[in-house]
Amino acid sequence: DIQMTQSPSTLSASVGDRVTITCRASQSISIWLAWYQQKPGRAPKLLIYKASSLESGVPSRFSGSGSGTEFTLTISSLQPDDFATYYCQQYKSYSTFGQGSKVEIK
Amino acid sequence: QLQLQESGPGLVKPSETLSLTCTVSGGSITSSSYYWGWIRQPPGKGLEWIGSIYYSGGPYYNPSLKSRVTVSVDRSKNEFSLNLSSVTAADTAVYYCARQADTSMYERFDHWGQGTLVTVSS
Repeated sequence: DIQMTQSPSTLSASVGDRVTITCRASQSISIWLAWYQQKPGRAPKLLIYKASSLESGVPSRFSGSGSGTEFTLTISSLQPDDFATYYCQQYKSYSTFGQGSKVEIK
Repeated sequence: QLQLQESGPGLVKPSETLSLTCTVSGGSITSSSYYWGWIRQPPGKGLEWIGSIYYSGGPYYNPSLKSRVTVSVDRSKNEFSLNLSSVTAADTAVYYCARQADTSMYERFDHWGQGTLVTVSS
């Protein structure tokens, strides 16, 4: 099984901050990684796929990078709507999600 | 616009079978050869993929749940279903149905249902 580990689990930030979340895979997954945003009581929303491709309609302040076992999600300038929990997902073999990273207001 | 909607009992007794259906609207479940999946999220916890199925069949499952899970598709009703047997309190979760983007067996999920909470309790 491929395990996904995210860090940090919680991040306190202010509007306008640059935010980076890391996701590590237990073995190489090439670029088969997606990022999701989830708000309380809502379904996850796809942000990034193939590690760095922006899903249609997602603001350009979101970006993804990495390959192999280490990946990052970056929000270039945090907006009020971005306070949420973020999950990574590997889809190299079956599907596994990270444990989540909550971005909260500082 | 593609929409997915989960339906089924919100309360299931321990040792019984959890059964949910996902109805797809705004598009055909057989169009463009997509895969369709189930994901769950225990209260306050992270996401866990349960299983997926191609529009013509051929399901595949999370190895940790494989012995208890069945996913099936009904093309005539434009829906797919989840059965999870021998449930315990650990199966209490919000269950989501979703579409896998593109046509590969392993993919990201680009369209999600709103989710339905299933509680396992006597």
